[in-house]
Amino acid sequence: DTGVSQDPRHKITKRGQNVTFRCDPISEHNRLYWYRQTLGQGPEFLTYFQNEAQLEKSRLLSDRFSAERPKGSFSTLEIQRTEQGDSAMYLCASSLAGGPNGYGYTFGSGTRLTVV
Amino acid sequence: AQSVAQPEDQVNVAEGNPLTVKCTYSVSGNPYLFWYVQYPNRGLQFLLKYITGDNLVKGSYGFEAEFNKSQTSFHLKKPSALVSDSALYFCAVRSSGNTPLVFGKGTRLSVIA
Repeated sequence: DTGVSQDPRHKITKRGQNVTFRCDPISEHNRLYWYRQTLGQGPEFLTYFQNEAQLEKSRLLSDRFSAERPKGSFSTLEIQRTEQGDSAMYLCASSLAGGPNGYGYTFGSGTRLTVV
Repeated sequence: AQSVAQPEDQVNVAEGNPLTVKCTYSVSGNPYLFWYVQYPNRGLQFLLKYITGDNLVKGSYGFEAEFNKSQTSFHLKKPSALVSDSALYFCAVRSSGNTPLVFGKGTRLSVIA
């Protein structure tokens, strides 16, 4: 197992374009999380899935943001009509839910989005 | 609501000296507490966690943290700092109900040779 993979590592897009990021979690992990990190700030929670069910999406920043995990494996995060304020690092993490002791998250290396 | 405060944006320490990175938290119920480290252009790496049991938790790379319930703190410590410890450190908390982790804004540690 190679950990959590995110693709692409970097994305430069023009304002108004749509972008999609992919996350492949650790295979036995049933939970998958998306966070956003801007310069000088800690990761900000966006949404998460348990298997294919999206359990929380109220923290998505606007209706331009959406996420899917159709088969309970990989996930995609889409941003429509990008704005310069969307420029950030988008982090994906996975974990194994249901354990009694609260398993920590394993993070991917992130996708850095630059909107020009 | 859960929250984490890291009161120091930057901590500077000489190599070989002890280091402390501070963290206080607010959560309903029992806290699950974590420390992560981030190197430039990388994701977050897990250092250690407190779930229950001994208040002193030992983690990776010689780091440890002490859970103090009365002060709602979970400070990260290391007896002897290395230059390679220079990085961004994040404290995180969640409640016992499998809610997502909430992170502090981070503390940049700089270890000077």
